[in-house]
Amino acid sequence: EAAVTQSPRSKVAVTGGKVTLSCHQTNNHDYMYWYRQDTGHGLRLIHYSYVADSTEKGDIPDGYKASRPSQENFSLILELASLSQTAVYFCASSAQVANSDYTFGSGTRLLVI
Amino acid sequence: GDSVTQTEGQVTVSESKSLIINCTYSTTSIAYPNLFWYVRYPGEGLQLLLKVITAGQKGSSRGFEATYNKETTSFHLQKASVQESDSAVYYCALGDMGYKLTFGTGTSLLVDP
Repeated sequence: EAAVTQSPRSKVAVTGGKVTLSCHQTNNHDYMYWYRQDTGHGLRLIHYSYVADSTEKGDIPDGYKASRPSQENFSLILELASLSQTAVYFCASSAQVANSDYTFGSGTRLLVI
Repeated sequence: GDSVTQTEGQVTVSESKSLIINCTYSTTSIAYPNLFWYVRYPGEGLQLLLKVITAGQKGSSRGFEATYNKETTSFHLQKASVQESDSAVYYCALGDMGYKLTFGTGTSLLVDP
């Protein structure tokens, strides 16, 4: 079954530390996305990618980097984690068709202390 | 830019009663956007509930319905009789003919048994 798998499911990080969130998809989708969700906000797009070895900035990219080493894998990197980056992070994938359905991972809950 | 508004952050409904979750949207696109409802059950990722790509049409799934109203720019989600298993967070989303979806803040539904 096609799926998007995120790891870890949850993480506690210290301020100033480096955090890497990983995402793996078996959907054979070209597009992959990283969203964050905070209470009172909808999902907000951080970075996305439509092809391996290339990433694009979303609406809130500051403080985040992304890496797409293969079609299946897409990572989100927080080089210097800050308290304001405490949130739930969702990875998703979609086909190369406009307004294609997204397939989401189950989320990573990140707490920065 | 695009925006999606869900006015209710949390809704509590007794089992077997009717439900309506409000969603309005705004877009700068000259084309009519595609509209979606996603649902997130506890411990899971978001999954597509229903999608409507044509203004004036109605989408339905699992007893839920939503009608794309371009005059009022609304896409309210309704169900005639909710069940306890419907307890989840519901997200309205808009696609502006590209690959990015814009999400509302989500409405948490609690169904009282």
